[in-house]
Amino acid sequence: KAGVTQTPRYLIKTRGQQVTLSCSPISGHRSVSWYQQTPGQGLQFLFEYFSETQRNKGNFPGRFSGRQFSNSRSEMNVSTLELGDSALYLCASRTPGSEAFFGQGTRLTVV
Amino acid sequence: QQQVKQSPQSLIVQKGGISIINCAYENTAFDYFPWYQQFPGKGPALLIAIRPDVSEKKEGRFTISFNKSAKQFSLHIMDSQPGDSATYFCAASIQSSGDKLTFGTGTRLAVRP
Repeated sequence: KAGVTQTPRYLIKTRGQQVTLSCSPISGHRSVSWYQQTPGQGLQFLFEYFSETQRNKGNFPGRFSGRQFSNSRSEMNVSTLELGDSALYLCASRTPGSEAFFGQGTRLTVV
Repeated sequence: QQQVKQSPQSLIVQKGGISIINCAYENTAFDYFPWYQQFPGKGPALLIAIRPDVSEKKEGRFTISFNKSAKQFSLHIMDSQPGDSATYFCAASIQSSGDKLTFGTGTRLAVRP
């Protein structure tokens, strides 16, 4: 069974640009969550989608947004990038009653 | 607001020794407490998890101890091996509220040969 796939693995963007990250969950998993991991703040919850609906949202500014498609694939978008947005962005998928499986993440560097 | 506090920040243990990582939480609504292991360049992977209706859960060399009244839980790694060297995160969630995990700050474990 294929794991959670995140693309791209690495990304370098300039301040002020926007970026879109993609997450393909494990087949059959309808819940997708996104987390930001930084050395200073650790792992912080961004948002969760289930069956194309946002079910939970963390304490991030409105520049951070996401969506989920009918095939459960999810994207997150960050607009007007800031240097502080440099982080590892992790996606996790699960099915009800199971554990959350994480992808390897997308390493975003803002210069 | 730091809802899950984890200590120590780093830990060095000799091969064969016991590694102990502690976490404390504030929100009494939390009802699911997983531990994740993360290797460099990888995403976190679930190691073991516990619910508050039990005080201890053991899987192989890994044991979670849970103290509901103190709002604390800990991970014990018995017979620690160099391959256990990784960063460990405790987490907590409210299962009825979806999949939001609140993580501790992480413990970097190094097991010396």
